[in-house]
Amino acid sequence: DAGVIQSPRHEVTEMGQEVTLRCKPISGHDYLFWYRQTMMRGLELLIYFNNNVPIDDSGMPEDRFSAKMPNASFSTLKIQPSEPRDSAVYFCASSLTGAHGYTFGSGTRLTVV
Amino acid sequence: DAKTTQPNSMESNEEEPVHLPCNHSTISGTDYIHWYRQLPSQGPEYVIHGLTSNVNNRMASLAIAEDRKSSTLILHRATLRDAAVYYCILDAGNMLTFGGGTRLMVKP
Repeated sequence: DAGVIQSPRHEVTEMGQEVTLRCKPISGHDYLFWYRQTMMRGLELLIYFNNNVPIDDSGMPEDRFSAKMPNASFSTLKIQPSEPRDSAVYFCASSLTGAHGYTFGSGTRLTVV
Repeated sequence: DAKTTQPNSMESNEEEPVHLPCNHSTISGTDYIHWYRQLPSQGPEYVIHGLTSNVNNRMASLAIAEDRKSSTLILHRATLRDAAVYYCILDAGNMLTFGGGTRLMVKP
C-alpha cells in the first residue's frame, strides 16, 4: 500500500496564478480530507468528502479555493487566483470509517511569491 | 466541538516512559478520544484512540479517566524518534479538529 499520495511535493508560484494540488487516497477509503497547516493557525480542516461527495466545506477560506473529487481515487484542491497568504503546507488525508484512523499524505508545500 | 487542553511542550529522557496529559472537561458521551502525532516535516500519523476503556497498541497506551474528563497518552520507552508534536482530539462524527498539541522533546 503506497499510502496517500500527494503531488507536487513543492510548488512555488507567483501571486495571481492558478494552483492545483492533487491527492490520491488509499484505495477503499471512503473519506477524504484536505487540511492546511501554517505556523500561525496550525492544522485547519478545509473540506472533506464522503463517497466523492463534499460534506463540509465550511473551512474553505474563500471563493478562491475550490475542491473536487471526480472519482474515488482522485481529488484536487485549486486556488485561483493565489495570494502570498495562501503559502502553507497542504495535507490530504483519507480514512475508511470517518474519524477513526486517518492516513495523511506527505503534504504539498506551497509558496506564493 | 468539545475542546482539549494540552501542555505546549514536554521533555523526556531517552528510554524513559512519557506521560502526555490531555484535559477535555466538556467531553460528551459519544466523543472518541484520538491521539495523533506529527514528526518533523511529515504529515500527522494516527497513534491510538479510545472511548471509555484504556487501550494499548504497539505504539502507545491510552489511559482514560473514569469520568472521561482527561486522558493520558503513555509512551512506554521514549526514543529519539518519538520527538514530535502530539495532538489529543475529540470527535463525535467524521471530522478531526486539531489543536495546538504538545511538542515532545526527547533528550539522549
